[in-house]
Amino acid sequence: NAGVTQTPKFQVLKTGQSMTLQCAQDMNHEYMSWYRQDPGMGLRLIHYSVGAGITDQGEVPNGYNVSRSTTEDFPLRLLSAAPSQTSVYFCASRPTGEKINTGELFFGEGSRLTVL
Amino acid sequence: SQQGEEDPQALSIQEGENATMNCSYKTSINNLQWYRQNSGRGLVHLILIRSNEREKHSGRLRVTLDTSKKSSSLLITASRAADTASYFCATLSTGRRALTFGSGTRLQVQP
Repeated sequence: NAGVTQTPKFQVLKTGQSMTLQCAQDMNHEYMSWYRQDPGMGLRLIHYSVGAGITDQGEVPNGYNVSRSTTEDFPLRLLSAAPSQTSVYFCASRPTGEKINTGELFFGEGSRLTVL
Repeated sequence: SQQGEEDPQALSIQEGENATMNCSYKTSINNLQWYRQNSGRGLVHLILIRSNEREKHSGRLRVTLDTSKKSSSLLITASRAADTASYFCATLSTGRRALTFGSGTRLQVQP
């Protein structure tokens, strides 16, 4: 199993450009989420999804869009990149359901984004 | 706002010593988890403690939870240079679906 796979690992954008960060998992996890990590601020939740077709906002959703058309994929779209979105982005997943909702997250290796 | 806050922000110890990190949180929780992050890598789950548990062990890790004080501690015994990493606590609040992370403790273990 590959686990949680994020692409690209590194990306440089200019202000105003758009892009999509890809996240795929092969563990059949219903729950997927995106966090951003900034120095001294830990991880902050951007968006999450509890299954295909269901998404919800986290703590810092502005400037980001998500969709969940399949169980495996959860892309994060930056519509018009801003320097404030320079960060490291992590995708994470876990199984859900009454009996297996342990809360333990499985993380990808991260995507480092710089917006100039 | 951050749910969990770790203390200290940074910790430097010698190999063989014990390392203790603390986490405080604000709301009622379902469980509290600790994660480790090596430099430039993703986070890896270490241990989970449920709200009705007070202490849990896993290898050299010992986690305690005091729900009355809304705090937890992670003890790493007999530390090794390979334990050098950042450690994060994360809480699953009651009725919520998403984990909330603290700002982390950077642990440096000197060989």
